[in-house]
Amino acid sequence: GAVVSQHPSRVICKSGTSVKIECRSLDFQATTMFWYRQFPKQSLMLMATSNEGSKATYEQGVEKDKFLINHASLTLSTLTVTSAHPEDSSFYICSAGRRVGNQPQHFGDGTRLSIL
Amino acid sequence: AQSVTQLDSQVPVFEEAPVELRCNYSSSVSVYLFWYVQYPNQGLQLLLKYLSGSTLVKGINGFEAEFNKSQTSFHLRKPSVHISDTAEYFCAVSPNAGGTSYGKLTFGQGTILTVHP
Repeated sequence: GAVVSQHPSRVICKSGTSVKIECRSLDFQATTMFWYRQFPKQSLMLMATSNEGSKATYEQGVEKDKFLINHASLTLSTLTVTSAHPEDSSFYICSAGRRVGNQPQHFGDGTRLSIL
Repeated sequence: AQSVTQLDSQVPVFEEAPVELRCNYSSSVSVYLFWYVQYPNQGLQLLLKYLSGSTLVKGINGFEAEFNKSQTSFHLRKPSVHISDTAEYFCAVSPNAGGTSYGKLTFGQGTILTVHP
């Protein structure tokens, strides 16, 4: 089946550091990638939708200057958390798919971000 | 806009017992429905999906779900659970028509299924 690789799986860094998370679709071309955030014991909240070759669409309340998304190719999207602070600590998950509602998204294994 | 409600935050059950995880949704448009499973510190794995046709859909690992349009429900069931089914389960919906929300998933709050020996 389709595989999505997300890297790194865990990051621990100091406050003020910028952190880049990569999401790769390994065996299919993903026209759309989605970035989610999941707080402990809570559901996934969509942060942004990333389409290859165009600017990401951010959900209401998500700071686009804080969470930079790049989708330079059909197999790679990156999320950069700029100047991260402790409140940015969370589990970030990407998914890849086609912008077609009946095609299920395929999820990466997530990145646990801990800001000290 | 869509919303998804999973009625039980935690469901404990003994091994080999049947289980039902409940999901209700609200939407102003027709939707596709999904169930995903998440193991600790991992991403989500698709269990099953309803797109159209038969309202009873079968998925992986012996799970099945039934779409009930009149009750706007999509409950997940398994006749006999195993220890390895212990995980968190998410119900999700996606609009099945065009527009800016096309393809976006809205998730429920999740149900933690704990299977005891």
